[in-house]
Amino acid sequence: EVQLLESGGGLVQPGGSLRLSCAASGFTFSSYAMTWVRQAPGKGLEWVSAISGSGGDTYYADSVKGRFTISRDNSKNTLFLQLNSLRAEDTAVYYCAKALGYCTSTSCLWYFDYWGQGTLVTVSS
Amino acid sequence: DIQMTQSPSTLSASVGDRVTITCRASQSISSWLAWYQQKPGKAPKLLIYKASSLESGVPSRFIGSGSGTEFTLTISSLQPDDFATYYCQHYNTYPWTFGHGTKVEIK
Repeated sequence: EVQLLESGGGLVQPGGSLRLSCAASGFTFSSYAMTWVRQAPGKGLEWVSAISGSGGDTYYADSVKGRFTISRDNSKNTLFLQLNSLRAEDTAVYYCAKALGYCTSTSCLWYFDYWGQGTLVTVSS
Repeated sequence: DIQMTQSPSTLSASVGDRVTITCRASQSISSWLAWYQQKPGKAPKLLIYKASSLESGVPSRFIGSGSGTEFTLTISSLQPDDFATYYCQHYNTYPWTFGHGTKVEIK
């Protein structure tokens, strides 16, 4: 059974940093791309970042580019998201999800088949 | 970036009703579209991928159709468990974006 368990959320001041983790089990972690999707309170889903199975390719939404860093440790079946220079608008539940699909020479066709339960990040003074 | 527009934003319906949600892409995405269901306080759940392929374990009353720029999710006979918010997501190319969601409420 596929399981994804996020951790690391909490209350942080504007300008602060946080590191989210997502522990994966039930599938061959290194074989799949992974992603982070967030949801601000009462709002819709926003794709944040993705990483290939090897970790060699990373992708970011414009809203977080240069502030967030996605990474993975395939030896520990864990996905990470480093959040720096946090802003109030980054307040959200952050979900990790397993990506399914494939990459062509020009794009990666990824949709998300399993999701964790989410971890809440609150940016406030 | 490709923009995804869902309509309506809210839909009121009764158990047994046939309901349809529309998702439009700002440019052609072929059939690279997924649909998700989300209930309050829960993670999204994949329902449909590649516009019309039903995810394993999802009831057959969920029907996806469309290609290019216009897509629909139809629930053929609404059940009590189906009251939730539904999101479309394109995966034609990076960045992958979601629609703003359609909340299906009890009439």
